Amino acid sequence: AQSVTQLDSQVPVFEEAPVELRCNYSSSVSVYLFWYVQYPNQGLQLLLKYLSGSTLVESINGFEAEFNKSQTSFHLRKPSVHISDTAEYFCAVSDWGGGSQGNLIFGKGTKLSVKP
Amino acid sequence: DTGVSQDPRHKITKRGQNVTFRCDPISEHNRLYWYRQTLGQGPEFLTYFQNEAQLEKSRLLSDRFSAERPKGSFSTLEIQRTEQGDSAMYLCASSPPPTQYFGPGTRLTVL
Repeated sequence: AQSVTQLDSQVPVFEEAPVELRCNYSSSVSVYLFWYVQYPNQGLQLLLKYLSGSTLVESINGFEAEFNKSQTSFHLRKPSVHISDTAEYFCAVSDWGGGSQGNLIFGKGTKLSVKP
Repeated sequence: DTGVSQDPRHKITKRGQNVTFRCDPISEHNRLYWYRQTLGQGPEFLTYFQNEAQLEKSRLLSDRFSAERPKGSFSTLEIQRTEQGDSAMYLCASSPPPTQYFGPGTRLTVL
């Protein structure tokens, strides 16, 4: 069975500092990996995804994540955070393909709090 | 592409009442998923549709939960005889797999 572990439930950081949100997954098959961001009382917004190809993927707002198959990780990083990045971030995995349902398995989330 | 929409955004009900939520997916997406998110947790998969066919029901939380997607367009999720433990955010996502795009969610509060 698949599972996702987000190692930090809360990450406080000062504005303009770098940040890393950690995500590890377990799966016996090939996977697709996602990061979603959720602002209070809103749905999930897709931040970035790894489907295939380059193991480093980037978002339009400066986040990046690297798929590391040997360490089964997909950590999210940003070199300089803004107040507006304050939100909860969810890592998710899917094993879609080969007849699977394609539903997402989520971690418990990491609350990023950016302080001025 | 207007995105995934859900209605209502908030629902307050009394224990024992029935509630129904609606999800309108992105029009060209043939897969639709429902999830539940409780406080402090990631979303939990409930059920999904491929066009109008409901291909997974066993993850629905109890027989009080049911979902439909007539004609393969919008979908509804119904909870009968609501309980306080049903209070949560209910999320809908539409998909050209494997990527899923979520709606804003319906926040249910059962008093």
